[in-house]
Amino acid sequence: KAGVTQTPRYLIKTRGQQVTLSCSPISGHRSVSWYQQTPGQGLQFLFEYFSETQRNKGNFPGRFSGRQFSNSRSEMNVSTLELGDSALYLCASSPSYNEQFFGPGTRLTVL
Amino acid sequence: GIQVEQSPPDLILQEGANSTLRCNFSDSVNNLQWFHQNPWGQLINLFYIPSGTKQNGRLSATTVATERYSLLYISSSQTTDSGVYFCAVPNYGGATNKLIFGTGTLLAVQP
Repeated sequence: KAGVTQTPRYLIKTRGQQVTLSCSPISGHRSVSWYQQTPGQGLQFLFEYFSETQRNKGNFPGRFSGRQFSNSRSEMNVSTLELGDSALYLCASSPSYNEQFFGPGTRLTVL
Repeated sequence: GIQVEQSPPDLILQEGANSTLRCNFSDSVNNLQWFHQNPWGQLINLFYIPSGTKQNGRLSATTVATERYSLLYISSSQTTDSGVYFCAVPNYGGATNKLIFGTGTLLAVQP
């Protein structure tokens, strides 16, 4: 079975731009969660989608949004980028409330 | 929400040595995961261990749910074991995929 895939792997943007990241879960998994990892804050939960519905949300501003498609693939969008949004963004997939499996991540740099 | 603490924060070992990493959590949980973050940032699943003991090669893990801690044992360490080890538990301990991560243990294995 193929693992979780994320695209792109690396991204450089400038302040004020927006960005869209993509995550394809393991086949058959209906839950996709997103995390942000920074040196200062560690790993923090952004949101989770299950069967195209947001099931849980972390404490991030409204500039961070996501969605899930009928094939379980998920995208997250960050609008009006700030320097502090530079981070490693990880997505994880799970069948439901089970063990989670992470993708390789997208490293975003905001200049 | 639940709090997760890991110790030690840093560990330096000579190749062949054994080590024990600890994860304490502040409330009851129904699952716990251990991850190894590789140099490229991907979180690699080590164990999904709500309670009891599991072994996988040179690694083993024990979770004592009633006392709210888990231990990860690495025996005969190799340089490839270097990296950051995280434990994570579900927020509020239960039916959610929102994982709360510890701050990690940075392991360096020297040849």
